[in-house]
Amino acid sequence: DGGITQSPKYLFRKEGQNVTLSCEQNLNHDAMYWYRQDPGQGLRLIYYSQIVNDFQKGDIAEGYSVSREKKESFPLTVTSAQKNPTAFYLCASSMGPAGGPQTGELFFGEGSRLTVL
Amino acid sequence: SQQGEEDPQALSIQEGENATMNCSYKTSINNLQWYRQNSGRGLVHLILIRSNEREKHSGRLRVTLDTSKKSSSLLITASRAADTASYFCATRPGGGNKLTFGTGTQLKVEL
Repeated sequence: DGGITQSPKYLFRKEGQNVTLSCEQNLNHDAMYWYRQDPGQGLRLIYYSQIVNDFQKGDIAEGYSVSREKKESFPLTVTSAQKNPTAFYLCASSMGPAGGPQTGELFFGEGSRLTVL
Repeated sequence: SQQGEEDPQALSIQEGENATMNCSYKTSINNLQWYRQNSGRGLVHLILIRSNEREKHSGRLRVTLDTSKKSSSLLITASRAADTASYFCATRPGGGNKLTFGTGTQLKVEL
């Protein structure tokens, strides 16, 4: 079945450690996104990528890094510079470049919950 | 800052009743989308309404869009316990590249 796979589902990190969250899609989508969700709140955009080898900062990129070396993969690294990393992280993809002629519907993974100890 | 803001923040109804939630946004849009999120899960796309549409239906869902008031509403008719979830509106401010989500309405449907 086509879809988006995020791993791990749960992750614990000690302060000062970098962690990488995996996001893989087999939908052949061009665009991929990372969002952060805090309890009882909406989603905030961290980074997005419209095409391989290109990505842009979202609204809260500080303390995070991404890469887009393959169309299917968009890993997110939460660095030690992120002051409050405990959150629920959601990866998504869409068929065409964001804002393009396609509908722009996003397909989401099941999320990764990061807890800093 | 959030582009969209849902109202109410939380809504509790009985099974069989209708549920209405509203979304207000700040800047011009090409379309507005509604998503659903079950607790601890990813979001699922429900419906998209374009800026030149006023109303759209999908099963038990009815969405309206008033671009003059910069607002949209989502109506779920004959609600079921399985409709219990958070509902978010999402837009691309100015038709740009970033899909921005509202703060969400938590719907609880009780038996």
